[in-house]
Amino acid sequence: SQQGEEDPQALSIQEGENATMNCSYKTSINNLQWYRQNSGRGLVHLILIRSNEREKHSGRLRVTLDTSKKSSSLLITASRAADTASYFCATANYGQNFVFGPGTRLSVLP
Amino acid sequence: DTAVSQTPKYLVTQMGNDKSIKCEQNLGHDTMYWYKQDSKKFLKIMFSYNNKELIINETVPNRFSPKSPDKAHLNLHINSLELGDSAVYFCASSQASSGGGNEQFFGPGTRLTVL
Repeated sequence: SQQGEEDPQALSIQEGENATMNCSYKTSINNLQWYRQNSGRGLVHLILIRSNEREKHSGRLRVTLDTSKKSSSLLITASRAADTASYFCATANYGQNFVFGPGTRLSVLP
Repeated sequence: DTAVSQTPKYLVTQMGNDKSIKCEQNLGHDTMYWYKQDSKKFLKIMFSYNNKELIINETVPNRFSPKSPDKAHLNLHINSLELGDSAVYFCASSQASSGGGNEQFFGPGTRLTVL
C-alpha cells in the first residue's frame, strides 16, 4: 500500500483560519517533505523535516514529525485565498525513491 | 529562467503511436526523475536517473523508456501508446540521489491525451 497518506482528502476553510493537514507513512524514512501544487502546475517544495527533527517552521508553515507514530502534520496559519492548492507529503529513504501521498485539496474561501 | 522545463505542454495523439516528452534542467543537479499523475492527482514515480544508475519503478511498462543525452536532460519515450497512458507527466530534478532525499524541483508538466 501507499507509503504516504494525507488526511483529509479535501479541506475547505475561510480566509484567516488555520489549515491542518496530516500525513501517515508505513516504513522508516530519512526525511519527509511537503509540496504544494496549484491547479495545472508542477509541484513546489515547501519544507523538509529530517527524521531526527520534531518540528520546523517556515513563514506561516509549521511542520511536525512524530516518527514513533509515523505521522507528520502541516499547519498553515492565517490562510489566504492564494493558499488554495493541493498539498502532498513525500517520504524519502536511502536507496529508495520518493513516495508521494494522494494529497489534500485545500480550498480557502474569501 | 525556468529551472526545469518540459516540452510539449500538451500532447494529443492516437493509440498505438510513439511519442517523446523532453525535459531539461539548468540547476546543475545530478539526478532527474519522471512522475505520472493520474486523474485522481495521485503522483507515482516512474524513473529516477543519475550518471550512475537508473532506478525503474517495476510497475512501469517497458513501453516507457528514459533517455539521457547528458546530465541536464532526461527525455521520456513512450511506444505503442494506450488509452491508460493518458495523464500528466512531470519531470523533476534534485541535487542528490533519491536516497538522499533532497528537495526536488518540478517541471510544469505535460498533459498527454491518448485517443
